[in-house]
Amino acid sequence: LAKTTQPVSMDSYEGQEVNITCSHNNIATNDYITWYQQFPSQGPRFIIQGYKTKVTNEVASLFIPADRKSSTLSLPRVSLSDTAVYYCLVGPAGYSSASKIIFGSGTRLSIRP
Amino acid sequence: GAVVSQHPSRVICKSGTSVKIECRSLDFQATTMFWYRQFPKQSLMLMATSNEGSKATYEQGVEKDKFLINHASLTLSTLTVTSAHPEDSSFYICGGGQGAFGYTFGSGTRLTVV
Repeated sequence: LAKTTQPVSMDSYEGQEVNITCSHNNIATNDYITWYQQFPSQGPRFIIQGYKTKVTNEVASLFIPADRKSSTLSLPRVSLSDTAVYYCLVGPAGYSSASKIIFGSGTRLSIRP
Repeated sequence: GAVVSQHPSRVICKSGTSVKIECRSLDFQATTMFWYRQFPKQSLMLMATSNEGSKATYEQGVEKDKFLINHASLTLSTLTVTSAHPEDSSFYICGGGQGAFGYTFGSGTRLTVV
């Protein structure tokens, strides 16, 4: 499993764009990059998943450079409700009993008014 | 999308008793479920991987006799904390998934042992 490194915490203000970068130097050819959001006392919630280039959905964008050794989660115009911990995970998209889901330390994002 | 239902959301038990936590996949078949525990301000720590129809695989340092995992069907995995003690108080989370849509996690169970 590829190890991931993220900033421990980030602060921003409402209405701003927030970019959280994750490093995964040992990513394997068949690995996907998935981001999760976790609020206090809740389970992680899937945000977005990608393999290369750019992926966009209704809540976020994911930018992956050609070497795939890092990725950036972009949250447009954040609000107070985006305050949460964000986890970057790297692993095969099709899971099997051999594909453990290991969480890194995550990034604690705090949004201020 | 895939939904994982976890119950109970909160439980308080006396020291020495056992507590069962259920994790159900509502709209998909989960051959594999993952069980985590999370302490305040910390990340999720993988405890074990639950495989339908076979024994669970426990992470190093996790006592299999204390944290009993049963995955008897494709939609239900259970974690039983046996002879619970105050140090077992934590937030327990299960998760599973299918295909390329990422993994889905339950809403978690807050266990307090008094």
